Amino acid sequence: DAMVIQNPRYQVTQFGKPVTLSCSQTLNHNVMYWYQQKSSQAPKLLFHYYDKDFNNEADTPDNFQSRRPNTSFCFLDIRSPGLGDAAMYLCATSRVGEWDQPQHFGDGTRLSIL
Amino acid sequence: RKEVEQDPGPFNVPEGATVAFNCTYSNSASQSFFWYRQDCRKEPKLLMSVYSSGNEDGRFTAQLNRASQYISLLIRDSKLSDSATYLCVVTNRAGNNRKLIWGLGTSLAVNP
Repeated sequence: DAMVIQNPRYQVTQFGKPVTLSCSQTLNHNVMYWYQQKSSQAPKLLFHYYDKDFNNEADTPDNFQSRRPNTSFCFLDIRSPGLGDAAMYLCATSRVGEWDQPQHFGDGTRLSIL
Repeated sequence: RKEVEQDPGPFNVPEGATVAFNCTYSNSASQSFFWYRQDCRKEPKLLMSVYSSGNEDGRFTAQLNRASQYISLLIRDSKLSDSATYLCVVTNRAGNNRKLIWGLGTSLAVNP
């Protein structure tokens, strides 16, 4: 049973055309994360939500925004995608306080920019 | 110095071989440690957590050395299906939450 679900699996958009990626979870975890991963690189944390508190990484471009309307859903909005934004985007969840437990990842959304 | 460092490889080994990966971390206060496996164009999947006393799961053994700040992963009797990238992950406290610090991964190719 999928516990962290990302949609779509593959997304193609045009240069400069806004795109939204979605993530939902059935684990009732407090924390949700968005990562960007490019080929041969480690996942790079973009931001995370601790409940409704949004935490942006210092080097995340302004082009990237996120929304978390409720515990189960989290969205990644890319306002004006550039060619350099083509990557795999990974959503993950965890529960606060369970420091020795790993994060749970979705299957990822692979974003291509035309 | 990177926060988490791994030998990128690639490691090319024959089926049945034993292979070991090391990973060093820079923050002595790091709290928890994991090995993830990532297949090409797929999401990372947890392989195993790494406990202070060391732990084993079938053909896989993980060790933690806090004094020297490294963790290791040993794979015995390698299978073709073990071919993947192995990512070392360390978690550090960040306020009330934690932050995962990822290594760049070590690539393993198991050959027939």
